[in-house]
Amino acid sequence: NAGVTQTPKFRILKIGQSMTLQCTQDMNHNYMYWYRQDPGMGLKLIYYSVGAGITDKGEVPNGYNVSRSTTEDFPLRLELAAPSQTSVYFCASRRQTDTQYFGPGTRLTVL
Amino acid sequence: LAKTTQPISMDSYEGQEVNITCSHNNIATNDYITWYQQFPSQGPRFIIQGYKTKVTNEVASLFIPADRKSSTLSLPRVSLSDTAVYYCLVVDRSGGYNKLIFGAGTRLAVHP
Repeated sequence: NAGVTQTPKFRILKIGQSMTLQCTQDMNHNYMYWYRQDPGMGLKLIYYSVGAGITDKGEVPNGYNVSRSTTEDFPLRLELAAPSQTSVYFCASRRQTDTQYFGPGTRLTVL
Repeated sequence: LAKTTQPISMDSYEGQEVNITCSHNNIATNDYITWYQQFPSQGPRFIIQGYKTKVTNEVASLFIPADRKSSTLSLPRVSLSDTAVYYCLVVDRSGGYNKLIFGAGTRLAVHP
């Protein structure tokens, strides 16, 4: 199993641009999560999903959108990128009561 | 969700045992204590999880007293590769969304 994969690894955006961060897991996990991590800080939950077709907001959802059309994929959409969204983004997944498995992250810079 | 408190940073030397204590005064009955490790430029990685008393795996031990208001992660004989940030979290494993609340973690620096 590849586990949780994220693309791209790095991206630079201009203010106002949009992009989609991709996350895919091949472990047939129902639960998936998106976090952001600012320098020197812990992770903050953006959105999560308990299964295909079901998503909900986390701590810091403003400026982001998600969708979950399949069990495997959980893309994170940034509309109108702002410098405050400069961060490292981590996707994670888990089974029902198991621990979370994290992807390698996407480093995003908004200039 | 229970809040956790842990030291911001710790220093150690190769071969020593490192103990990182975490307090979680308002832990709930269904909460488990979980520790993650994060290396620079990587996502967090699960280390160990426990409910009470002692749990040991190939990486670490976790000590939880009877009142469960604190816990201690023990790393035996650390090496330079154990330099990382360690996060203590309490997780409700009774079902539901299993939202993890990360604090700033403890930055462990292991010196030669």
